[in-house]
Amino acid sequence: GAVVSQHPSWVICKSGTSVKIECRSLDFQATTMFWYRQFPKQSLMLMATSNEGSKATYEQGVEKDKFLINHASLTLSTLTVTSAHPEDSSFYICSARLMNTEAFFGQGTRLTVV
Amino acid sequence: AQTVTQSQPEMSVQEAETVTLSCTYDTSESDYYLFWYKQPPSRQMILVIRQEAYKQQNATENRFSVNFQKAAKSFSLKISDSQLGDAAMYFCAYRSRDDKIIFGKGTRLHILP
Repeated sequence: GAVVSQHPSWVICKSGTSVKIECRSLDFQATTMFWYRQFPKQSLMLMATSNEGSKATYEQGVEKDKFLINHASLTLSTLTVTSAHPEDSSFYICSARLMNTEAFFGQGTRLTVV
Repeated sequence: AQTVTQSQPEMSVQEAETVTLSCTYDTSESDYYLFWYKQPPSRQMILVIRQEAYKQQNATENRFSVNFQKAAKSFSLKISDSQLGDAAMYFCAYRSRDDKIIFGKGTRLHILP
């Protein structure tokens, strides 16, 4: 199956700093990628839809100025958590979809803000 | 808005036995996809099985099969001959026309040796 790679797998940052998470489709082009957030022992909550060459579409309640999404190419989307706070600590997962197939997920990024 | 409900937070099954995980969903769309994903401790999401809503035949993948009841909006997963490696969190998911995937809260499956 198609491979989606997420980097880094885990990151620790200080409060007030920004951290960038990358999501790459390794062997296919993805016009659309999705970013999810997963709290411990909970489900995946869709944060935003990332479209190549255009602005991301954010779900209700997600702060677009805090969670900056850039989809600069057909194989790369980035999520930047700006001015991170401890409550932003979570597991972030991206997914990408081939045309008319299921979505493929990255391995996730565990963010800890101290 | 679409919703996905998994009413069983946890389930246990004896190794080699069969277990069924329940899922119901709500939608006004007629064309959509349903999925079961497995999330092991590594937290990598793994697709288990997929069902297209327009297909009446239930999807099957080796030991995994679904019971898709479109009118009842029910989509249960049956795991036959359970193995220790099946222990994981299982998420039922719905993909809408706008490509968004909505997940249920998940069912943690324990396999008893």
